[in-house]
Amino acid sequence: GAVVSQHPSWVICKSGTSVKIECRSLDFQATTMFWYRQFPKQSLMLMATSNEGSKATYEQGVEKDKFLINHASLTLSTLTVTSAHPEDSSFYICSATSGSYEQYFGPGTRLTVT
Amino acid sequence: QKEVEQNSGPLSVPEGAIASLNCTYSDRVSQSFFWYRQYSGKSPELIMSIYSNGDKEDGRFTAQLNKASQYVSLLIRDSQPSDSATYLCAADFYTDKLIFGTGTRLQVFP
Repeated sequence: GAVVSQHPSWVICKSGTSVKIECRSLDFQATTMFWYRQFPKQSLMLMATSNEGSKATYEQGVEKDKFLINHASLTLSTLTVTSAHPEDSSFYICSATSGSYEQYFGPGTRLTVT
Repeated sequence: QKEVEQNSGPLSVPEGAIASLNCTYSDRVSQSFFWYRQYSGKSPELIMSIYSNGDKEDGRFTAQLNKASQYVSLLIRDSQPSDSATYLCAADFYTDKLIFGTGTRLQVFP
């Protein structure tokens, strides 16, 4: 149980384009989903918290107009990186919780912007 | 002071030994504590959660919590080379999100 999927697992895009990443909870309803970013050899950085049907809460320093988060249902949240630039290249990981504090992570999406 | 602190390591232990990973947290009340394992290039995987003082055992893993000392540890018995990874400690501090430490890299050598 507690399986979270992400799609795509990796993506290469050109600078200036937008990329959408999907995060799905496969066997439970996720009341809250989280989006993290991790640069090589660095720790996890929380970007935002999203609850189904409401606006995401972004961490300080994260541009909400650049990283659009939609949590349309209890099993799906999406992160759209708009007008991507090479500095946005990173490992993006979502996690989900069903109400307890335990977070279950998706396998991550590796984004490369050329 | 960071809210959740871990020694970055690497912690090197021989195969079959006990690996002891430590984590301290700031002077804030927290309900839950978690240990995650992250292999290089992969996402974190939940290993243990602990909510009350004392020990909690699950297979080769034992989590220990001492709220008075603001200290959480993870013991891995009979360490295997496949246990080589970065171990992340996290606490909730009664918020809706987890605060992660920077992780301790464990190396188990044959």
